[in-house]
Amino acid sequence: QSVLTQPPSVSGAPGQRVTISCTGSSSNIGAGYDVHWYQQPPGTAPKLLIYGNSNRPSGVPDRFSGSKSGTSASLAITGLQAEDEADYYCQSYDSSLSGSVFGGGTKLTVL
Amino acid sequence: EVQLVESGGGLVQPGGSLRLSCAASGFTFSSNWMSWVRQAPGKGLEWVANIKQDGSEKYYVDSVKGRFTISRDNAKNSLYLQMNSLRAEDTAVYYCARDPLRFYYMDVWGKGTTVTVSS
Repeated sequence: QSVLTQPPSVSGAPGQRVTISCTGSSSNIGAGYDVHWYQQPPGTAPKLLIYGNSNRPSGVPDRFSGSKSGTSASLAITGLQAEDEADYYCQSYDSSLSGSVFGGGTKLTVL
Repeated sequence: EVQLVESGGGLVQPGGSLRLSCAASGFTFSSNWMSWVRQAPGKGLEWVANIKQDGSEKYYVDSVKGRFTISRDNAKNSLYLQMNSLRAEDTAVYYCARDPLRFYYMDVWGKGTTVTVSS
């Protein structure tokens, strides 16, 4: 059971928009700690996708965007492409656990 | 090129020990916090431990406290994870990651090294 809750899977057709939610609690996201997102294509290492809730590292397309509100955060992907098929993870800090915590991951399937 | 390369994984019996290494290049290693993150087969990511630039502060996930020790050698641009009293549930791919702002995001990742604990 992960501290941050994500849907196990989402899907969408090429060109469509999908969102992935990440729900936390008062000891992590709700306490004001920022949320970060990672993309992990099959068989590869994770890659930082969004940091500080809504910032994109250099090289990440603006089709990817993040937001945060209350005890939850969301990752939105517009103009879905086949190459977006991957697992996506949210991450934050938890003050009760005194460490970084990840969501359980969401598998994105591009139909 | 900014790069992290892990090594030292392998097959070990329950109760055994293993030492993982991570070689950093392309950035000022001594200026960054560093982390270990693991991923059990078919499962999600789990942060394991991190260490301050000078090694004076270390933090661990509860499940490895007292068994794993994170360390670094800034002269060798290297990060280590000493794993003792290994259990089947420690079986995972172990990633080394740059943790530039401590418990914030991890912006550079290695390709990982696989640890299998089995008799």
